[in-house]
Order: sequence, then structure tokens, then C-alpha cells
Amino acid sequence: DTEVTQTPKHLVMGMTNKKSLKCEQHMGHRAMYWYKQKAKKPPELMFVYSYEKLSINESVPSRFSPECPNSSLLNLHLHALQPEDSALYLCASSLMLQGSGELFFGEGSRLTVL
Amino acid sequence: GENVEQHPSTLSVQEGDSAVIKCTYSDSASNYFPWYKQELGKGPQLIIDIRSNVGEKKDQRIAVTLNKTAKHFSLHITETQPEDSAVYFCAASSRNDMRFGAGTRLTVKP
Repeated sequence: DTEVTQTPKHLVMGMTNKKSLKCEQHMGHRAMYWYKQKAKKPPELMFVYSYEKLSINESVPSRFSPECPNSSLLNLHLHALQPEDSALYLCASSLMLQGSGELFFGEGSRLTVL
Repeated sequence: GENVEQHPSTLSVQEGDSAVIKCTYSDSASNYFPWYKQELGKGPQLIIDIRSNVGEKKDQRIAVTLNKTAKHFSLHITETQPEDSAVYFCAASSRNDMRFGAGTRLTVKP
């Protein structure tokens, strides 16, 4: 199994809603990542978890709240988002913390904030 | 931090021709250089990578070259096919920091 699975594929939410994005991998990877990708732009790193501990937070607003319940799961909790937060949210995993090997990306969750 | 520049931003070739995409990086500590292909509606997928102790790597129609002195690396695709049409991202990575180039939209015309 060499997949990173993200749900939901599409999400539409209002600015007052609370929602969550979910990511799962069963490759035994110990590093997991959230990226944000706007149209025609490269992925931008948001958060990195290494061994289920938050390792990197790229100064992301607190309306985005990551959670790593176990080594296979990664969540991104969303609350009070703005329309400019609409984007493709990509989850990725790697065997160890990035810099040493391949990142495996999921298909992404396309978020629209109304 | 690392800064990666990628050129061109768009590239259109005829089927069967070669395509070359170039990237430069700024951090001499970067030692891992992957290339990702992103098709419409999908996540990026690794197509080839190279580490700093290697100058060139080839996998069938795809090759990557690295010049550490000049801090640039390139992706070469030979005998292009319509299914090669996608956005390609280069990246440069040091210990804990991977940065992507801005991307190249490759169109292969049948």
C-alpha cells in the first residue's frame, strides 16, 4: 500500500463553520505534512509532524489546527476560515522527516470558503 | 532559507520532441532534488530525484542533471507523449526544509 488517502475530496463551508480534513497512510511513515496549494502555484508547507509530534508550524493562522492522533492519521481542523483560505489542501508523508527522501502526496481536499 | 527558481513557466512541444525544465537553488546545504509531476485534479507525484553526490540520473525517457557548483539542476524528457502533459515542480531540500519551484506547465501536442 503506497497511498495517502485524503477525505473529503471536496468541502464547501461558511466562515462560521467548523470542519475537519482527514489524512491516512499505512506505509509506516513517521513524518506527515499539510500543504496548501493555490491555483497555478506550488504547494506551500503549513505543518510537519514527526513521530506524532508537531515539528514545524510555518506561522499558520490559528484558525487552522492540526492534530496527529497516531502514526497513521493526520487531521486539519478548520474554524472561522476566510474566503482567501479556499485552496487545495494536500497531505503528504515520508519515511522520516523531509530532506531525506520521497514525499508521498494524497490527491488533496479542495476547500471552498463562502 | 532556500529559494528555488524554475524556468520556463510554460512549455509547449510537439509529440516526440524533447522537453527541458531548469531550476536553480540558493542554499548550498541542499542535498536532495526531487521532481514532481502534477496532473489536473491530482496530488504531485515523484517522477525522479537526485542526490548531491550524483551528477546525472536516468529513468527511461526521463533524466535529471545536477551541477552543484552552479547550483542548478534540470529535467530532461525525451520522446514526449501527450500523457506527459502536466505541471512539473522541481524542489530542493536540505535537512528539514524542502522548497518547491513555481512550476512548469508542459503541453505536448499530438
